[in-house]
Amino acid sequence: RKEVEQDPGPFNVPEGATVAFNCTYSNSASQSFFWYRQDCRKEPKLLMSVYSSGNEDGRFTAQLNRASQYISLLIRDSKLSDSATYLCVVNRRNSGYSTLTFGKGTMLLVSP
Amino acid sequence: SAVISQKPSRDICQRGTSLTIQCQVDSQVTMMFWYRQQPGQSLTLIATANQGSEATYESGFVIDKFPISRPNLTFSTLTVSNMSPEDSSIYLCSARGAADTQYFGPGTRLTVL
Repeated sequence: RKEVEQDPGPFNVPEGATVAFNCTYSNSASQSFFWYRQDCRKEPKLLMSVYSSGNEDGRFTAQLNRASQYISLLIRDSKLSDSATYLCVVNRRNSGYSTLTFGKGTMLLVSP
Repeated sequence: SAVISQKPSRDICQRGTSLTIQCQVDSQVTMMFWYRQQPGQSLTLIATANQGSEATYESGFVIDKFPISRPNLTFSTLTVSNMSPEDSSIYLCSARGAADTQYFGPGTRLTVL
């Protein structure tokens, strides 16, 4: 099983739609979870951290289910500018420090 | 968040040659990392750049191929040695922020002929 798995998409949605992405991770010891956004030919940028109780940042809501090892991202009222690849990211603890493992990403295309 | 710059931003190299990529962070950071992103793939961690000691390499990556330096808390270099076309990729420098967050440089797009 891959460390972090995502549906690659693409998800094609109209402006204003609500869209949800899911992600599963294999390492039950993971403690930190993130969603990153990557635009074409650009570096990944942190979108939001994911907390156990779930968290919201404007139109974006992230949820974590530790029992199922599952993370989700909900985008409401999609904008054209939301078109990007969304990367699910999970930490992996090594001896003394942690590193991040990236999913392959889910591509979102928002059309007028 | 840290601001990270890399140079060169892109290069085209002949096989068998080596390229050194530089990464500069605008503030002191404890941890820096080097990633590779091949076309259509996600990011793969090459190594953790340790200040004042040898880098910690991930499985599949070795020091002879990817020597890394980190002379201080704001600067690191990655060298891609004896390049082959399979090394064509985007190489990204990253720095650790608070609570395990990481920030990325703009990347170096390498093409090996």
